[in-house]
Parts: sequence; C-alpha cells; structure tokens
Amino acid sequence: QVQLVESGGGVVQPGGSLRLSCAASGFTFSSYGMHWVRQAPGKGLEWVAFIRYDGSNKYYADSVKGRFTISRDNSKNTLYLQMNSLRAEDTAVYYCAKVLVRYGDYEGGDYWGQGTLVTVSS
Amino acid sequence: DIQLTQSPSFLSASVGDRVTITCRASQGISSYLAWYQQKPGKAPKLLIYAASTLQSGVPSRFSGSGSGTEFTLTISSLQPEDFATYYCQQLNSYPQTFGQGTKVEIK
Repeated sequence: QVQLVESGGGVVQPGGSLRLSCAASGFTFSSYGMHWVRQAPGKGLEWVAFIRYDGSNKYYADSVKGRFTISRDNSKNTLYLQMNSLRAEDTAVYYCAKVLVRYGDYEGGDYWGQGTLVTVSS
Repeated sequence: DIQLTQSPSFLSASVGDRVTITCRASQGISSYLAWYQQKPGKAPKLLIYAASTLQSGVPSRFSGSGSGTEFTLTISSLQPEDFATYYCQQLNSYPQTFGQGTKVEIK
C-alpha cells in the first residue's frame, strides 16, 4: 500500500533553515510528481511546491519562491523540501502528496502523508 | 494567480440533508478542479478530480459538477462521517491554489 512519511519538522528561529523529507513506499516513486502542501494552525490548505516525476520541472508558491527548494532522490524514494530564511508565517504542518496520475504535472494529490510540524519562533 | 472562492465558508446541516458547496475561480480553469475532505488532525482526502470524477473508494453520495469558473460539490444525503472541512483546488496552472474551505457542522 502507498505510504508517505514526512520527517524533519521542529522548532527553528526566524532566519533559520530546515530540511523536510518525505519517504515514499508502495508505488513507483520515480513515475509520479510530488507536491508539498502546508497548513498553518487553524487555517486552510496552502499549496507550496511541485516537482515533476523526473525532477525536470519545479514550481513554487509566490510566498516561498527564492527561499524554499523542492528536490527528490528517485534512487532513495525520497522527496525533500529545503527551507531557508524561515519566517514566523511559515509555521505550519507540512504535507507531502503523491500526484494522482503517472507522469502527470497537473493533478492533485491522491495520497498524503501524516504531516510534519514546523514552528518558526524565537 | 488564480483565486478560488468557496461558498459558504460555514454550513450547518442535519444528517440526511442534501448539501451543496460552490467554488468559483477568478478565471477559467476548464475542468482542472479537485475536491478534498479534511477532518481535524488528519491529512486531506481526495474526493473528486477533473471536476466530476469520483475518486476510487469514495461513496457515491458525493458528486461534483461544473467547468470554466463555477463548480459544485454535492453530498446527496449527509452522513455523520461527512462532518468535516471541504476544499477545492485548481490544477489548471501553477501556482496551484486552494479555496478557503467550507466547514460542515452538525445542526
């Protein structure tokens, strides 16, 4: 069965960095694009970033562009989100999600991880 | 960026009620729209994709319709397990965006 397990969250000071990981299993990771989506406490969902199945295309929300970098290692079945210059408003639960369609770029997520909490605070 | 506006933001309904949630896009997105259900402390669950296609395993009381700029999610007969927050998401172009959510509570 498909499993996505995020890790790497924690408490970080403003201006700091953190790298999130999402370990995937139960499907051919190298054939599916992946999303990061976040949710601030008590707020709605915010799409953060997407990476194509082969890593050739990446897209970012305006709110994180230039500060966050999405990447993947298909040999390790792992998705990453490098977060730099963190701000208080980046505090959220971060979810990784698998794209619905093999090789698709414009689909939503059919499987999601349980999320990892990032808290940016001094 | 494409903005999505859901209405209502909050809905109070009873078990057995027919419920309709609307999602309006700031520009045309064809049928590139998905609907999710989220319960407290849980990850979102995909209900509908391509505006009207029911995701595998989702009960048939859920349905989606619309294209262009106006979309609806309908629950034909609300069940106790359906009390949750519902989000639409546009998949037409990047950056992808979500609606602000509709919380469905028990009347």
